[in-house]
Amino acid sequence: DAMVIQNPRYQVTQFGKPVTLSCSQTLNHNVMYWYQQKSSQAPKLLFHYYDKDFNNEADTPDNFQSRRPNTSFCFLDIRSPGLGDAAMYLCATMGLGGYTFGSGTRLTVV
Amino acid sequence: GEDVEQSLFLSVREGDSSVINCTYTDSSSTYLYWYKQEPGAGLQLLTYIFSNMDMKQDQRLTVLLNKKDKHLSLRIADTQTGDSAIYFCAERGNTDKLIFGTGTRLQVFP
Repeated sequence: DAMVIQNPRYQVTQFGKPVTLSCSQTLNHNVMYWYQQKSSQAPKLLFHYYDKDFNNEADTPDNFQSRRPNTSFCFLDIRSPGLGDAAMYLCATMGLGGYTFGSGTRLTVV
Repeated sequence: GEDVEQSLFLSVREGDSSVINCTYTDSSSTYLYWYKQEPGAGLQLLTYIFSNMDMKQDQRLTVLLNKKDKHLSLRIADTQTGDSAIYFCAERGNTDKLIFGTGTRLQVFP
């Protein structure tokens, strides 16, 4: 089945140690999104891509970066994770059929 | 900017109907969505409505949209314990960003 896959499902990283979360899609959608969802809160949009055109939300910290080397893959890089960055990170795509979300990566910072 | 608000909690008895409300500010919203999220899980799309509709029914789910008041509701008929979860409304504006509401925690008791 065409889908959005996020790896790993759970990620533990050390305070201040760079970490990369990955997302891949088989839908060939040209729009991809990264959301951050903290416990008991709404998903918050960090940035999105139209193809390779990167769009950062105004309040996304500089600590968060993203790369999209091709249509299928998108990465979220956290340069120096802090304890406040512990959250579920959700990747999504958008196409004619609407939005498709991955299962998320739960990031723990120790 | 876009703002989507929901009441935080709703508690209902099993078998009763649940009504979850949502208000939004973006008058350019094209689609409005309802997602369900169970503890520790990802987002599950329940239903959506196009902005030129005022009602949509899908089995136990009824969505009502009052575009003039920018008010959206989700009615769940014959609510079951398995419906206990957090429910997010979300709006898609003309920028194709999906903005989520604050979420309503539905608790169903026997």
